[in-house]
Formats: sequence, C-alpha cells, structure tokens
Amino acid sequence: DAKTTQPTSMDCAEGRAANLPCNHSTISGNEYVYWYRQIHSQGPQYIIHGLKNNETNEMASLIITEDRKSSTLILPHATLRDTAVYYCIVSVLTGGGNKLTFGTGTQLKVEL
Amino acid sequence: DTAVSQTPKYLVTQMGNDKSIKCEQNLGHDTMYWYKQDSKKFLKIMFSYNNKELIINETVPNRFSPKSPDKAHLNLHINSLELGDSAVYFCASSPGHFPEAFFGQGTRLTVV
Repeated sequence: DAKTTQPTSMDCAEGRAANLPCNHSTISGNEYVYWYRQIHSQGPQYIIHGLKNNETNEMASLIITEDRKSSTLILPHATLRDTAVYYCIVSVLTGGGNKLTFGTGTQLKVEL
Repeated sequence: DTAVSQTPKYLVTQMGNDKSIKCEQNLGHDTMYWYKQDSKKFLKIMFSYNNKELIINETVPNRFSPKSPDKAHLNLHINSLELGDSAVYFCASSPGHFPEAFFGQGTRLTVV
C-alpha cells in the first residue's frame, strides 16, 4: 500500500472550515483514498473515501487532485467535537475486506 | 444497539496468563478484523476474517489466535501474555467489498 504524509497537527477555529491535506505521491491506479478519525479513547470512525472524483457526504468533502498524488479533507464547519486525530489512508479494495494501514495522522484541535 | 461490541473494555492481567477478548457485530457484515494500537498510538491490523475464513494474518506471534465461531463473532485469544502485549485492541467489521469499516470501542489490555 502507498504511504501517506500528513502534517502532525493543525488548529482550527470553531465554525470555520478545516482543511486537512494528505500527500500520497506513490498511489497506484487501483488504490482508494480513505479518511478516518479517532476521537480520544474511541475506536476509529470512517469519514469518507474516493478513487478519482471529489466526494461529499454529511460529514465532509474529499478533494483529490487530478494526478491523485494528494488530497484534502474538508470539514466545512468545524465544531469542538471534531477535535480528533485524522488519518489519511490509501489502500486497494479487496473481496476479503480492507487492510487499512494507519499512519501517524493529523491531530486537529478545534478551538473557540 | 451497539454495532461492534467488545468485551471486556479493560483487562489487567499478569505475565504468562492466557486471556480472551470477545467481539460481536450486529451489522450483518461478512468481514471482521482485529487491530492493535500500541503506546505510541500506531494502529496496525492483525487479522481479518471473511465469512469465518482467515484472510489477513499479519506478522503476529502465534500466541495470538483469532477464532470466528460464526460471521458475527471474532474472538481473540492470547496465550502466555507478555509485557509488550499491553495495548488497546480494536475489533472492526466491514461489508466485504465496501470500504467503510466500523470499529468497536477497544479493549485496553495491561499486562503486569
């Protein structure tokens, strides 16, 4: 699986958009980009995934560059409850499930 | 109803003991996983089962033995516990070909 690079930490004011970048320059054609987050002491939570196109759901938007070498997770209106470690993962989708390789992630701190 | 539930939530035990962690999912998913998060917060996959069949078996000591009695359950048995086994163990499930994995709340294992 391709490796990802994320900033160690980011701060965001409550109510503002949080833009979390991820570099995955060695991504291969059949690898998806996944985003998960882990709120302190809880299990990871799926946020969104994409292959080529930009994606949006009720939690976030995922912007993938045309060359697929980087992506950005956007939380449009961050709240204090969004404070968490955010993981960008690239992985193929297999019939036996997904081997998610979590890196160190980005610690997002949302402040008043 | 809790989607992926693990028991116990906390487990403190002495070196050399044998212990089990139970996991149940009520989502009807075909695939279940065990992940380990160490003290440095790295989250790594240990095993995955698809329809009770072992699919992923990472480099894990054979003291760790997963057992899947049915699709809804994946238990983790650990023999001869060592200090280095202290970690948070997360169970997860996903619907086979779909990328979204649901994680349990974790079991914090402390070996003393």
